Amino acid sequence: GENVEQHPSTLSVQEGDSAVIKCTYSDSASNYFPWYKQELGKGPQLIIDIRSNVGEKKDQRIAVTLNKTAKHFSLHITETQPEDSAVYFCAASATHNAGGTSYGKLTFGQGTILTVHP
Amino acid sequence: DADVTQTPRNRITKTGKRIMLECSQTKGHDRMYWYRQDPGLGLRLIYYSFDVKDINKGEISDGYSVSRQAQAKFSLSLESAIPNQTALYFCATSVGTIYNEQFFGPGTRLTVL
Repeated sequence: GENVEQHPSTLSVQEGDSAVIKCTYSDSASNYFPWYKQELGKGPQLIIDIRSNVGEKKDQRIAVTLNKTAKHFSLHITETQPEDSAVYFCAASATHNAGGTSYGKLTFGQGTILTVHP
Repeated sequence: DADVTQTPRNRITKTGKRIMLECSQTKGHDRMYWYRQDPGLGLRLIYYSFDVKDINKGEISDGYSVSRQAQAKFSLSLESAIPNQTALYFCATSVGTIYNEQFFGPGTRLTVL
């Protein structure tokens, strides 16, 4: 089945710095790559996603990049703020049933604990 | 009111006990999911359901069972709880369109002694 690896497991930055989290996936049928943010005591919440027909997507201070050839995608947060401190998860999914195992399901990475120091 | 609710929010039980975790949603979504979260392991899929008559095993279904009582309700059962099932459990829902944004409940923290 699909396997998603996420690095680093913890990331500590100063307020105003940039943060980058990287993920790799294994199933070439995967074509949808969301990122979720989990604040303390809450369930994960989607913050941005990217689809396989796009190489980059940006939403204010957050951007995602995708390299389908290398099977990796990354989350970039610029001008970090203390409220960005949370656990971030990448995920991969196949939105068409092409015989792979990731159709209709999200396979998550292991998570990154981001701490932004004031 | 929250769109996806889970009960109980916290539960402590003993080895061998049967326990049920419940999930309800008011979003009108067809698809529902159960995950467990363990430190360093991310979110792992236990079971998922694309509609009321559809139940599928996820990557770690052993020791668990589910029931989809209605479109809005999806329950997870541990028939005989064991300590390594101590974890944070999340229910999620999605619309079932091409792109699979999932909406998560607040989680249930389960401790098996």
